[in-house]
Amino acid sequence: SQTIHQWPATLVQPVGSPLSLECTVEGTSNPNLYWYRQAAGRGLQLLFYSVGIGQISSEVPQNLSASRPQDRQFILSSKKLLLSDSGFYLCAWSVSGQGVSGANVLTFGAGSRLTVL
Amino acid sequence: AQKVTQAQTEISVVEKEDVTLDCVYETRDTTYYLFWYKQPPSGELVFLIRRNSFDEQNEISGRYSWNFQKSTSSFNFTITASQVVDSAVYFCALSEADGGTSYGKLTFGQGTILTVHP
Repeated sequence: SQTIHQWPATLVQPVGSPLSLECTVEGTSNPNLYWYRQAAGRGLQLLFYSVGIGQISSEVPQNLSASRPQDRQFILSSKKLLLSDSGFYLCAWSVSGQGVSGANVLTFGAGSRLTVL
Repeated sequence: AQKVTQAQTEISVVEKEDVTLDCVYETRDTTYYLFWYKQPPSGELVFLIRRNSFDEQNEISGRYSWNFQKSTSSFNFTITASQVVDSAVYFCALSEADGGTSYGKLTFGQGTILTVHP
């Protein structure tokens, strides 16, 4: 069966410090990977998605970046955190290669709660 | 552009009451998919249901039921005989099936916080 892991679960960082959140998926190959952010405990916003190694698409301009160094590894980073980067970050994966990708069910990780002080 | 609206920010009910969570969506596509996810206090989103735009049959799964009406662009979710364990944030989401280039990206509503009191 497939599993998705995210870490760290919680993180408190000062403004201006770097960030690295990691997400890995097990039990599948070549998944689509996603980073979502949930601010103030509410609606989710898609930040990045990836359909393959080294292929990253950004949905919104921001202080963050993403990388996919391995097939099942997705990393969210920042060189200098801002207060507005605080939030709950969720990684998700879906099966790729289906004829109609909009049907893909996203499976989410447990999330990483980031507080920037 | 796609948009999903969940007008109810918070709903509070007493156990065993029925409750309906509303979802209205906007899309230009004729083929699309609608989803409901549940986010319990632990934070992890749990998939509940997926419907495609060509299937307007209502669906029932235990105490959960979904009413999809294309004419009003709505995909409402009803919990019958609610229980305390149903307390969570519920999200409605939309994905377009644009010939395989949407890559499964979901547009979420703002969520409805459901609190079921004993």
